[in-house]
Amino acid sequence: EAGVAQSPRYKIIEKRQSVAFWCNPISGHATLYWYQQILGQGPKLLIQFQNNGVVDDSQLPKDRFSAERLKGVDSTLKIQPAKLEDSAVYLCASSLAAQANTGELFFGEGSRLTVL
Amino acid sequence: GQQLNQSPQSMFIQEGEDVSMNCTSSSIFNTWLWYKQDPGEGPVLLIALYKAGELTSNGRLTAQFGITRKDSFLNISASIPSDVGIYFCAGETSYDKVIFGPGTSLSVIP
Repeated sequence: EAGVAQSPRYKIIEKRQSVAFWCNPISGHATLYWYQQILGQGPKLLIQFQNNGVVDDSQLPKDRFSAERLKGVDSTLKIQPAKLEDSAVYLCASSLAAQANTGELFFGEGSRLTVL
Repeated sequence: GQQLNQSPQSMFIQEGEDVSMNCTSSSIFNTWLWYKQDPGEGPVLLIALYKAGELTSNGRLTAQFGITRKDSFLNISASIPSDVGIYFCAGETSYDKVIFGPGTSLSVIP
């Protein structure tokens, strides 16, 4: 079974530029998450989708971050314009069922962003 | 908001020693989880706990869900070099929202 795919693995941009990350979850997984992991910290939830609807985006800086999950499958996370403090690894994860309360999230390898 | 605290922040142990790490929260969670992250990888689930007071084992790993539903511990017995990594506790709320702690970094000295 293929895992969660993310691209690009690495991205270096200058501040005020824009960047987009793509995620393809495990086939059949209803819930998709984007986490931001700053070096030395735990993953911080940015946004959670249930199929193609947003369940939680309370910690998403909406003035510069946006995310969508068209057709309830792939998802993109965009940052525009980027700031220095956005340097982090952006992790995408998916889980099988809504309200399953299993806690088992399957993570991709992440996209490492460096903002200069 | 909901926040998790982990202790210790880092550990250096000899191969073969046992390890214990803790996680506490200001909020109640429905499910407690322990994940491990290797460098350059995403976190991987080690153990999930679903009931207050539950004690669960997975090989050399043992974890417990605190009775108050606000804490959990993870024990690793007879550590080996491949146990090196960062261990995160996480709590799951309603609607599958999963919050992660700051992590405990484990180093194993051969």
